[in-house]
Amino acid sequence: EIVMTQSPATLSLSPGEGATLSCRASQSVSSNLAWYQQKPGQAPRLLIYGASTRATGIPARFSGSGSGTEFTLTISSLQSEDFAVYYCQQYNNWPGTFGQGTKLEIK
Amino acid sequence: QVQLQESGPGLVKPSETLSLTCTVSGGSISSYYWSWIRQPPGKGLEWIGYIYYSGSTNYNPSLKSRVTISVDTSKNQFSLKLNSVTAADTAVYFCAASSIAAAGPFDYWGQGTLVTVSS
Repeated sequence: EIVMTQSPATLSLSPGEGATLSCRASQSVSSNLAWYQQKPGQAPRLLIYGASTRATGIPARFSGSGSGTEFTLTISSLQSEDFAVYYCQQYNNWPGTFGQGTKLEIK
Repeated sequence: QVQLQESGPGLVKPSETLSLTCTVSGGSISSYYWSWIRQPPGKGLEWIGYIYYSGSTNYNPSLKSRVTISVDTSKNQFSLKLNSVTAADTAVYFCAASSIAAAGPFDYWGQGTLVTVSS
């Protein structure tokens, strides 16, 4: 199965700053990569699919890029509600696999 | 807007079968791929498997020998059975829907239900 590796494990930033989260696949997943946001006690929420397409209702401050094995989620100006855990997921190969998550915390 | 709701026992004894149902509202069960995903406490996400309304399924190889996913289109429900459970199966179980491909991305999620395996 494809292993998804996210970095960093924890990112400490202040509101208003920009955030860059990385996701690496153990083999190419083309552009079949999604990003999710999860807050404590909640289900994950789809942010980005197709590596760079925002899901319905997702603010423009969230953007995704990359293809093949290297992907990035960028949050341009952090709002208080953005502090959460972020997961990447590849859906190019069976089984779809998730990264271990990046926790974005308030500095 | 599709809504999903998991239901089932919150406590299962070791070696027994975990059974959960996901009820779908606000959308046609024939329009999506329906998956089960789990998350052990404090850990990451693991995709268990999916079913299409036609009944076609695919399961994570790591769980394939113990998993059955079924669908009841008349009730707009799909279900998960995981047999021979151990403490390692303790997790929050989510049902989810994908409109693009069977393995994701997952557009809609249930709120999740915690299942604890303990005697």
